[in-house]
Amino acid sequence: GEDVEQSLFLSVREGDSSVINCTYTDSSSTYLYWYKQEPGAGLQLLTYIFSNMDMKQDQRLTVLLNKKDKHLSLRIADTQTGDSAIYFCAESLTGYSTLTFGKGTMLLVSP
Amino acid sequence: GAVVSQHPSRVICKSGTSVKIECRSLDFQATTMFWYRQFPKKSLMLMATSNEGSKATYEQGVEKDKFLINHASLTLSTLTVTSAHPEDSSFYICSARGGTAQPTYEQYFGPGTRLTVT
Repeated sequence: GEDVEQSLFLSVREGDSSVINCTYTDSSSTYLYWYKQEPGAGLQLLTYIFSNMDMKQDQRLTVLLNKKDKHLSLRIADTQTGDSAIYFCAESLTGYSTLTFGKGTMLLVSP
Repeated sequence: GAVVSQHPSRVICKSGTSVKIECRSLDFQATTMFWYRQFPKKSLMLMATSNEGSKATYEQGVEKDKFLINHASLTLSTLTVTSAHPEDSSFYICSARGGTAQPTYEQYFGPGTRLTVT
């Protein structure tokens, strides 16, 4: 199976919270990332979390990590139409290892 | 800071021709550059890793004679798709890391190049 799995699509209304989930298989993963890709563009690093943390908050973004279940989530508070994009979860063994990406979750925010 | 550009952003070429894609780190020197290929509704697939001044390391299943990578300087890497075929049509993304970027382990991604082979 895939090393990193994500649901493919999420639709929310503007102002609601969005939660995008990700599971990974490699328990050795040390760095876990969330990237955002807008249409026709490259990837923008949103945030990352080290495996020895269980939560990280950065403005409207909250990352939760359940290392036991190998589950990572990204919560976007007060979702805006500008948040519509594809969100990729990724992991790496070390900070300098190659990245393994999930297939991405398309977030659609409706007014 | 840490901006990566790609050129061209879109290219259409005829089957059998070669096309070169450039990846530049604009405000930092990158010791390592990566080339990814992205298929529709698929994750990014790492094609190769290149370190400045040395040969690229290709991932399994990627033909090194078809996808030529040159990393001649700390700010420029090129990917040449040789004898392109329609199945090579894809979105190609590069990223750069290391050198004078802070933190050195973070990959900074370019905006991607859409290649269409007719």
